[in-house]
Amino acid sequence: AQKVTQAQTEISVVEKEDVTLDCVYETRDTTYYLFWYKQPPSGELVFLIRRNSFDEQNEISGRYSWNFQKSTSSFNFTITASQVVDSAVYFCALIRRGFKTIFGAGTRLFVKA
Amino acid sequence: DAGVIQSPRHEVTEMGQEVTLRCKPISGHDYLFWYRQTMMRGLELLIYFNNNVPIDDSGMPEDRFSAKMPNASFSTLKIQPSEPRDSAVYFCASSLDRERETQYFGPGTRLLVL
Repeated sequence: AQKVTQAQTEISVVEKEDVTLDCVYETRDTTYYLFWYKQPPSGELVFLIRRNSFDEQNEISGRYSWNFQKSTSSFNFTITASQVVDSAVYFCALIRRGFKTIFGAGTRLFVKA
Repeated sequence: DAGVIQSPRHEVTEMGQEVTLRCKPISGHDYLFWYRQTMMRGLELLIYFNNNVPIDDSGMPEDRFSAKMPNASFSTLKIQPSEPRDSAVYFCASSLDRERETQYFGPGTRLLVL
């Protein structure tokens, strides 16, 4: 089965709190690509990060960091010191060979001032 | 640089009418994708093109849906005849061949079929 699970439907935090969005995936492919996208209230989808299946190096970009662990099939996303502008729906996605793209259901993040 | 451009941004039509959604990919991108987003089914890939050629249309829901890419800078997704269950947000995305999996999305077209 090929699947992306974002178990957290909604998360609410207060500004400056750290928050982690979980993503668990299933695939039999050995080569695949993982992504995070942000969908703010305006509706567009904004690319955040891409990870190849053979690159387990974690990444930090400003307040954002990503933890990729093949052993647990997880690709989690942490926002440090959250801000109101981080309020959005965040999607985790898996792309297999032939562009078979599977998006998770999304996690809606509310950051309150 | 301009991102992916979609038009119209909003469309309201009546059941049975033809609807045409338009997309201009990022200049120089070789791949173009059409997605649909609904509350029930989330984001689904409908079809994608490589160098203007449709490669996989297995996600197109029915024969009422068709997509074309007459040149590298323009694509259309047409629904004829439209039905209320087609109401959704339709996204177009494009990517470069050398990093083809990284797709950049347009702002979407919000379609409401009454």
